[in-house]
Amino acid sequence: DVKVTQSSRYLVKRTGEKVFLECVQDMDHENMFWYRQDPGLGLRLIYFSYDVKMKEKGDIPEGYSVSREKKERFSLILESASTNQTSMYLCASSPLAGVYNEQFFGPGTRLTVL
Amino acid sequence: DAKTTQPNSMESNEEEPVHLPCNHSTISGTDYIHWYRQLPSQGPEYVIHGLTSNVNNRMASLAIAEDRKSSTLILHRATLRDAAVYYCILRRTGNQFYFGTGTSLTVIP
Repeated sequence: DVKVTQSSRYLVKRTGEKVFLECVQDMDHENMFWYRQDPGLGLRLIYFSYDVKMKEKGDIPEGYSVSREKKERFSLILESASTNQTSMYLCASSPLAGVYNEQFFGPGTRLTVL
Repeated sequence: DAKTTQPNSMESNEEEPVHLPCNHSTISGTDYIHWYRQLPSQGPEYVIHGLTSNVNNRMASLAIAEDRKSSTLILHRATLRDAAVYYCILRRTGNQFYFGTGTSLTVIP
């Protein structure tokens, strides 16, 4: 069974803290993605990676960075968390780029920044 | 940006067919139409995709208008487990999906 796992389902952090969200996939996929999901705004792409150590900005990269040191792991980093980063964060992976390739999503991490 | 427009919410009676519409008037020739759904407390999951022709799979059918400016996801017999948010997405070559806000489907027993 294909699997994308995220390190936490729920996370509470304070303003200014550095936050790491981890995502691991066991499908040997080349591509990995980070989205955030907010009511009324749907899913918005933050960053994606198509290979180890490669990354591309999505629609809303400001305030975030990413790291992909190993193929199976893609980390989202909030250098200094702010309250407007309170959101649901979803990780996804997919095989090599192809318009028909589906994305497999993790269960999400609900982050609250106080 | 390639955008899609969907109704915010729809209701269906259990065991009846459901037609979920999507408008994508700015679609380009290389855009595939994908549908995902998100069950409560889960990440989105793939439902179906197509380019020009209608498509069927075990989960649903996808009807694509001749001019490709709209499409309809068809659930042939809605069950309570089909209650979810359904996203209609355009995907161009490359890695990027453009998710909208989706349609929240309520299935009434």
